[in-house]
Amino acid sequence: DVKVTQSSRYLVKRTGEKVFLECVQDMDHENMFWYRQDPGLGLRLIYFSYDVKMKEKGDIPEGYSVSREKKERFSLILESASTNQTSMYLCASSFLQQPRGRRSYEQYFGPGTRLTVT
Amino acid sequence: QKEVEQNSGPLSVPEGAIASLNCTYSDRGSQSFFWYRQYSGKSPELIMFIYSNGDKEDGRFTAQLNKASQYVSLLIRDSQPSDSATYLCAVAPSNTGNQFYFGTGTSLTVIP
Repeated sequence: DVKVTQSSRYLVKRTGEKVFLECVQDMDHENMFWYRQDPGLGLRLIYFSYDVKMKEKGDIPEGYSVSREKKERFSLILESASTNQTSMYLCASSFLQQPRGRRSYEQYFGPGTRLTVT
Repeated sequence: QKEVEQNSGPLSVPEGAIASLNCTYSDRGSQSFFWYRQYSGKSPELIMFIYSNGDKEDGRFTAQLNKASQYVSLLIRDSQPSDSATYLCAVAPSNTGNQFYFGTGTSLTVIP
């Protein structure tokens, strides 16, 4: 079974703090993703990575950065937390889509981190 | 226009009925389509994926894809109260590498 784990289920931080969210997957997936999910807005992609040390901006990268030093680990960093970053943060992973290769590249999600910034 | 659109619901069906969830997408070149189930307070869980036109069945779930009309649907037969959740449609467009576009989800309630 695919296993994606996240470092915390619930986190409470103060405005201005630096926040680290960690995600680890054990399926040797190339791709890893960070989303946030807010009521009425659905899942929004923050950043994704298709390889170690590689990263691509998603739809809402402002105020966030990421780090991928090892294939299995993808970290999301809030440089200076603000109240509008209170949200559910979801990590996901998948195999890399290949033009003529494996077609099974569904994304698997971790349990999520509910972050509250006060 | 959103890339993926779903009716937000809520959709209510009696226990034992068929629940029908629909999703339309804008990128005609999209190749892969996914349905996720998300219980309140939990993360999305993959139910099914479909790549080819037509139907794909897995137990009580059937995914239907019509690329010409750009819609994908999920049918849940013999609906159970445990099927009450939000169902997310996800589409892998043709030109964005490995990103998915997610709909905002349809809330389903199965009434005992």
